[in-house]
Amino acid sequence: DVKVTQSSRYLVKRTGEKVFLECVQDMDHENMFWYRQDPGLGLRLIYFSYDVKMKEKGDIPEGYSVSREKKERFSLILESASTNQTSMYLCASSLSRGGPDNYGYTFGSGTRLTVV
Amino acid sequence: GNSVTQMEGPVTLSEEAFLTINCTYTATGYPSLFWYVQYPGEGLQLLLKATKADDKGSNKGFEATYRKETTSFHLEKGSVQVSDSAVYFCARTYTGGFKTIFGAGTRLFVKA
Repeated sequence: DVKVTQSSRYLVKRTGEKVFLECVQDMDHENMFWYRQDPGLGLRLIYFSYDVKMKEKGDIPEGYSVSREKKERFSLILESASTNQTSMYLCASSLSRGGPDNYGYTFGSGTRLTVV
Repeated sequence: GNSVTQMEGPVTLSEEAFLTINCTYTATGYPSLFWYVQYPGEGLQLLLKATKADDKGSNKGFEATYRKETTSFHLEKGSVQVSDSAVYFCARTYTGGFKTIFGAGTRLFVKA
């Protein structure tokens, strides 16, 4: 089975800190995604990447950046954490090579980030 | 555009009841359709999928049929268990790219 591993289940950070959320997948998937999940708002796409060093903005990229230096690792960076970035962050990966994602996503277990 | 609409929850059922969670999608292109399940404190897991019209996806007693004529992909299970309590997300592929669009999620509570 494909595994998507997020480095932390719970994080507490202070306002203004730079925060790194790490995600690693072990099955050579091309695409990787970062979502945040908030009550009543569902899943919102922050950034995604379809290849090493490639990145695309999702629906809510403001306040975030990403890095994909190796195929298996996709990092989400909060440049200066704010309280409105308190959320559950979900990483996902998928196989497809440039076409529609007919195989579905594999998700990590999530990182619950609290910014105080 | 590309969107997915699913019924609002929460849905509360007794054990062994029949489950239906409605999902409709915008008829843009020829999307693949998915149901994901999220158990408390976990990420989402792919439950089932269908890639073309009239396909039926099934897994763990859950089923959904890709209905192009009604642009629907309703999730059904004949007899729910307490362990099925979770949030269920309907999703479709994004026409013209490789993102997936998720519905808002429907929370299911099953009482013993």
